[in-house]
Amino acid sequence: EAQVTQNPRYLITVTGKKLTVTCSQNMNHEYMSWYRQDPGLGLRQIYYSMNVEVTDKGDVPEGYKVSRKEKRNFPLILESPSPNQTSLYFCASSTKQEQFFGPGTRLTVL
Amino acid sequence: SQELEQSPQSLIVQEGKNLTINCTSSKTLYGLYWYKQKYGEGLIFLMMLQKGGEEKSHEKITAKLDEKKQQSSLHITASQPSHAGIYLCGEDERDSNYQLIWGAGTKLIIKP
Repeated sequence: EAQVTQNPRYLITVTGKKLTVTCSQNMNHEYMSWYRQDPGLGLRQIYYSMNVEVTDKGDVPEGYKVSRKEKRNFPLILESPSPNQTSLYFCASSTKQEQFFGPGTRLTVL
Repeated sequence: SQELEQSPQSLIVQEGKNLTINCTSSKTLYGLYWYKQKYGEGLIFLMMLQKGGEEKSHEKITAKLDEKKQQSSLHITASQPSHAGIYLCGEDERDSNYQLIWGAGTKLIIKP
């Protein structure tokens, strides 16, 4: 089954404690991206990757890092999380016609 | 950069009634996507529209793109509780390959 998986689904953490949200796709897509969703703001792109070892900033990259060492995985790293990073995060992998989204990770930073 | 406005922000509809959600762009749309999100869950692809005047349907949901390709509407006929959720429109940024610009979403509640 074609899918995008994210882990964890829910995470409560404290300010400054490094965390990683994993994302994996099994569709051999080259393009992957991370979004955050906040009320009234819709989805905003954090980072995207056109292929292995090729990443670039989206609209709201501050406070985030990503890596793309292999095609299927695109982890999102928060080196020092802050409360304003409390949000719902979505990973997506794409063809030209459609984006496939993961189930989301609800992150709370205290 | 292009902006995408959705209206209304939220909508409460009696079960069985019809409803329409609009998505308007400040510039000509290259491609317009509609997604549905159930609360706290992932996004489900509904439809993609590319041509002026194009209309697509999926079960009781119909989406249209106007001739000028600046506005799209999503129409639900005889709404059901399963239609509840957040509807998001997204547009292709023509020169950026695969990147989408998103509307803020419309929260739909169906009253039994």
